[in-house]
Amino acid sequence: ETGVTQTPRHLVMGMTNKKSLKCEQHLGHNAMYWYKQSAKKPLELMFVYSLEERVENNSVPSRFSPECPNSSHLFLHLHTLQPEDSALYLCASSQEIGGRTGELFFGEGSRLTVL
Amino acid sequence: DAKTTQPTSMDCAEGRAANLPCNHSTISGNEYVYWYRQIHSQGPQYIIHGLKNNETNEMASLIITEDRKSSTLILPHATLRDTAVYYCIVSRAGTALIFGKGTTLSVSS
Repeated sequence: ETGVTQTPRHLVMGMTNKKSLKCEQHLGHNAMYWYKQSAKKPLELMFVYSLEERVENNSVPSRFSPECPNSSHLFLHLHTLQPEDSALYLCASSQEIGGRTGELFFGEGSRLTVL
Repeated sequence: DAKTTQPTSMDCAEGRAANLPCNHSTISGNEYVYWYRQIHSQGPQYIIHGLKNNETNEMASLIITEDRKSSTLILPHATLRDTAVYYCIVSRAGTALIFGKGTTLSVSS
């Protein structure tokens, strides 16, 4: 138990569906992240939020839309995805971004399959 | 651009110390060295981090060379459950952690 909870753990969706991934952290952290891990590839940083403001967007296609309504919750809205978007999506939080208190705490991930 | 270099894979016998090296020759003075590990299909797990001094916690020890250009993560008594991919990352305040390919550590009995 890392204090970061992701739902759903597994999601299967068609290319025309709209779905959302949810992340909640109970650690009082200021920063939250979405990472993507495709099969046999390193983790890719997608989005970074600090105090509910997006501070980094790593050239992610617009079919992925993040939302951070407060410092404890982070969503990833998905629409018109492609089969190659099938991956493990990991949420993480940290006290600050990088540096001395930048240690990340990860959720268990949401395994997404796009048909 | 990769800021750290790690061997692709390493083997270790159960009960022996596992010493995982990392090269970060271009590290800046304000960048920390972080270590994580990822067991298959799970989220990465934080292990340890440090700036200049050696660090130790209940999981591992981190040895950073005096010039800070390399470091070693030491698992003092490796077990089968330590089999995982280990990531060495450098990060300064305000910069999110970027994961590379890491080292696949295989612990065998």
